[in-house]
Amino acid sequence: KQEVTQIPAALSVPEGENLVLNCSFTDSAIYNLQWFRQDPGKGLTSLLLIQSSQREQTSGRLNASLDKSSGRSTLYIAASQPGDSATYLCAVKRDVRGAQKLVFGQGTRLTINP
Amino acid sequence: DGGITQSPKYLFRKEGQNVTLSCEQNLNHDAMYWYRQDPGQGLRLIYYSQIVNDFQKGDIAEGYSVSREKKESFPLTVTSAQKNPTAFYLCASSWVLDRSYNEQFFGPGTRLTVL
Repeated sequence: KQEVTQIPAALSVPEGENLVLNCSFTDSAIYNLQWFRQDPGKGLTSLLLIQSSQREQTSGRLNASLDKSSGRSTLYIAASQPGDSATYLCAVKRDVRGAQKLVFGQGTRLTINP
Repeated sequence: DGGITQSPKYLFRKEGQNVTLSCEQNLNHDAMYWYRQDPGQGLRLIYYSQIVNDFQKGDIAEGYSVSREKKESFPLTVTSAQKNPTAFYLCASSWVLDRSYNEQFFGPGTRLTVL
């Protein structure tokens, strides 16, 4: 059974720092991995999707990497800003065709202090 | 504006009542999903549907029911058989085609509280 873990559960850093969020999964047979952002009481916003054949994806100040063999993904946030404060979740698609059946981690709650 | 809408935003239910949560999408996506989110437990899949008039159970389907009569709509009914229904419910949609780049998009959520 695929399990996804995100450590730490919460992280607080000063504004301007570069930071890394971690995601690990137990079964390397994934189809893709998706990073999401969730603001309090809101839905999820997709940030980046990495296909299983890719090593990384970039969008603005965000860079996500994927190492299937070790069962790990990282989300790198450069020059953090208070507006980056949110919960970040990773999810892996089980290696099946068709519907995007995702397994989610529990999230890392990020606070950027001005 | 393309997107996913959920209503209501907040819902209160008395014990023993069934309630229905609405989810509509205008993205022309084939697949729709329902998740439940509890504090500290991440999202768990309740039901999903890949095509009209067809749906499959997810990991925690007991006490829930769904229908998919139209491509754009996927309502979720929380029945009285659901032991702990208080949670944040999220609806999502995606393409079904076997594309390697195939994101899942989420609605704003409905917070259900049992009184």
